[in-house]
Amino acid sequence: DAGITQSPRHKVTETGTPVTLRCHQTENHRYMYWYRQDPGHGLRLIHYSYGVKDTDKGEVSDGYSVSRSKTEDFLLTLESATSSQTSVYFCAISHPTRKETQYFGPGTRLLVL
Amino acid sequence: RKEVEQDPGPFNVPEGATVAFNCTYSNSASQSFFWYRQDCRKEPKLLMSVYSSGNEDGRFTAQLNRASQYISLLIRDSKLSDSATYLCVVSQGGGATNKLIFGTGTLLAVQP
Repeated sequence: DAGITQSPRHKVTETGTPVTLRCHQTENHRYMYWYRQDPGHGLRLIHYSYGVKDTDKGEVSDGYSVSRSKTEDFLLTLESATSSQTSVYFCAISHPTRKETQYFGPGTRLLVL
Repeated sequence: RKEVEQDPGPFNVPEGATVAFNCTYSNSASQSFFWYRQDCRKEPKLLMSVYSSGNEDGRFTAQLNRASQYISLLIRDSKLSDSATYLCVVSQGGGATNKLIFGTGTLLAVQP
């Protein structure tokens, strides 16, 4: 168990509302990632962080922002949710010495109506 | 063309069968290779890394052919508990820019 939790685990929201998903880790790892998983697509990277206040965009970052004010927390915000953002969102952390090995949180299922 | 391609399956096999999954990747600069396992409605979990020399972990054997940009996973003596989606994953870049590229997965259903 990699010590990663995500909250909320499920959320239903309406188009146009802001939504924030939280990822919390107890491992003190530097690298954290947000992915989304949709049918017909592999997991796709939204944003990642390589330290407190250090973040960068992934391949599907439009409509999302992130913040990392503490090592243990990485927040993903949908500023104005759209139905195309209905998805399962996974947070991940990297192995400390092998950054290409990632461990995933349990996921958040988001439905935007 | 997707960067990592897998046969989506499903592969329906009886217990005790041997089953093989294949995966191809398009970026020859890919550096590291993995198989992840994902149970229904759960998170992906690392199953094993894949090396050019081939590697084995119990009933699981993974192979990498860099020249053909091809990765395989062999499962021997399938168990009911092996039923899951198997994700082929390649790593690109390094350091802070390291990225994992995921295939869409191959679904395995082991039948009693």
